[in-house]
Amino acid sequence: EVQLVESGGGLVKPGGSLRLSCAASGFTFSSYSMNWVRQAPGKGLEWVSSISSSSSYIYYAESVKGRFTISRDNAKNSLYLQMNSLRAEDTAVYYCVRCGSTTCYLGWFDPWGQGTLVTVSS
Amino acid sequence: DIQMTQSPSSLSASVGDRVTITCRASQSISSFLNWYQQRPGKAPKLLIYAASSLQSGVPSRFSGSGSGTDFTLTISSLQPEDFATYYCQQSYSTPPVFTFGQGTKLEIK
Repeated sequence: EVQLVESGGGLVKPGGSLRLSCAASGFTFSSYSMNWVRQAPGKGLEWVSSISSSSSYIYYAESVKGRFTISRDNAKNSLYLQMNSLRAEDTAVYYCVRCGSTTCYLGWFDPWGQGTLVTVSS
Repeated sequence: DIQMTQSPSSLSASVGDRVTITCRASQSISSFLNWYQQRPGKAPKLLIYAASSLQSGVPSRFSGSGSGTDFTLTISSLQPEDFATYYCQQSYSTPPVFTFGQGTKLEIK
């Protein structure tokens, strides 16, 4: 069974940093592009960042560019999101999401992890 | 960026009803449109990919259609477990910026 388990969320002050992790299992992690998608409380879904299988291609939403860094460790079947200079508007549940095929371009998101809540507040 | 607009934003319906949700892209995205269901407190779940392909394990009462800029998600006979929020999402833009619609909340009448 494919599983994605996020961790690392919590309460952080504005301007602070946090690192999210996603542990993947049940599939060949090194063959798939991966993503982070977030959802602010009571709001819709927002794609945050994508990373290709070998980390050769990385993309960010404009809202996080320059502040967030996506990375992966294929030997550890893990995906990461380093979040710096956090703002109140970054408060959200962050989902780790696999591409349904090897890439999400012209593809789809499947499956999704259960999410981890990040709260940015003083 | 490609903008995705869903309508309606909310919808009240009864068990057994046929419902249709629409999604419009700000430019042509061919058939690269996906639909997700999100129940309260849960992660989103893929329902339909590539506009009309049913994801494995999803009931056949769900169907999708459309191409270009206009797409629809249809539920042929609503079941109690279908009351949720539905999102469309495009995967056509390059470099990749994967935008979602704002969501349609389907509520029990």
